[in-house]
Parts: sequence; structure tokens; C-alpha cells
Amino acid sequence: QSALTQPASVSGSPGQSITISCTGTSSDVGSYNLVSWYQQHPGKAPKLMIYEVSKRPSGVSNRFSGSKSGNTASLTISGLQAEDEADYYCCSYAGSSTSYVFGTGTKVTVL
Amino acid sequence: QLQLQESGPGLVKPSETLSLTCTVSGGSISSSSYYWGWIRQPPGKGLEWIGSIYYSGSTYYNPSLKSRVTISVDTSKNQFSLKLSSVTAADTAVYYCLVVAAPGWFDPWGQGTLVTVSS
Repeated sequence: QSALTQPASVSGSPGQSITISCTGTSSDVGSYNLVSWYQQHPGKAPKLMIYEVSKRPSGVSNRFSGSKSGNTASLTISGLQAEDEADYYCCSYAGSSTSYVFGTGTKVTVL
Repeated sequence: QLQLQESGPGLVKPSETLSLTCTVSGGSISSSSYYWGWIRQPPGKGLEWIGSIYYSGSTYYNPSLKSRVTISVDTSKNQFSLKLSSVTAADTAVYYCLVVAAPGWFDPWGQGTLVTVSS
């Protein structure tokens, strides 16, 4: 299975909003409302930020929000802060035979 | 809350079998609420799902790795394990064990362990 497509990098100034896209196919993103997003700081394990397209785990800031339209999911970070600088990965369930596919990853830079 | 810790050799020779164990604390691996999984990340690269297992032994593997991967569970030790056979340098990666809210998402993750394939 092919990786989901994300932009390699996205940047923004503190306080701004940015959006990261995650494009898949009708076999993964388009078929299931099971898209999740992970934040990874250098040298650290990924952290779940969004699950089931738009739900936030307890403890995750409400500045993070998720959505989906067709085969493309999106993560929006509003009120950008220095601590948001990290790599972000999307992931989609793709059925029992394939199970899970990750995005290519996006490096977020806070200017 | 659930905590996971990977353990195993940090260096494996080419053609040999990579073996890692994940110890679960803060809950039972026999819980019907979760699957248990492995994900890896080559240095400087993205994440790749390896596979998942339910406490009953049901497994799901990445098709691209399926011929070389075995994931097993030991409920008596509250552990699950990963075996990857016939490794090459391309299998050098940080290996993470994690909880799978199935089907759906991964949380929490272990801290990860770097496995280098080299002679």
C-alpha cells in the first residue's frame, strides 16, 4: 500500500493558524472515519493528537482540530506556539488485510 | 494508565532474526479493549506499521513485511513480542511498541528502541 501524501513542510508565525493536509485514496482515508494524527518531537515517541478524524484525547490542546473531506484529511493548529514545532504524521485504517497506512510526515516550523 | 517498555538487542547481524519484547504495566494485556502493536521508524524517515495482536492470538501484519514478521503474546508475563527474520540494513530503525485502539489509533507508545542491522 502507498503512504498517504503530506506536504514536507509547513511554517507559520506565532499566533497564526496552519493546516496540514493528508491525501489518501478511496481504500483508506475515503472509506473510514479512522484517521489519526501524531506529533513527534526530535528523539521522542509520537504522541496521539487527533483520533477518529476530529476527536481530541484528554490533555491535548483545543488548538488542534481535525477534519476530512473525501480522500483528504486535515489537521489545523490554531494560535501557533513555539512548542508546536515538530513533525506531524497522519494515519488511516485501511481495512483488515492492509490495516494501517501512515502519511509521509510534515515538519512544522514556527517562524 | 498503561505504560509500555521495549527491550532487546540493539545490534543484529544481517540475515539473522530481530527479536524484541514489550512489557506492559498499569493494565492487563488480556484486556478485551485493546490490541497490541509494533511500529518502526528508520533514522530520519517516517513511520511504518508492522503489525498487531489481540490477547487471544489473532494477528494482523503489514503485507510488505508479512512473510518475515511474527508477533506473539505472553499473557502470563504481560508481554508481547516481535520477531523479524532475515534482516538487512533496511530494517535498521527505532522500533516502538504501543496500544492499538482497534480499529483506529495508537496510544500510548513505548519510548522506542533503536535496532541496528550490521555485521
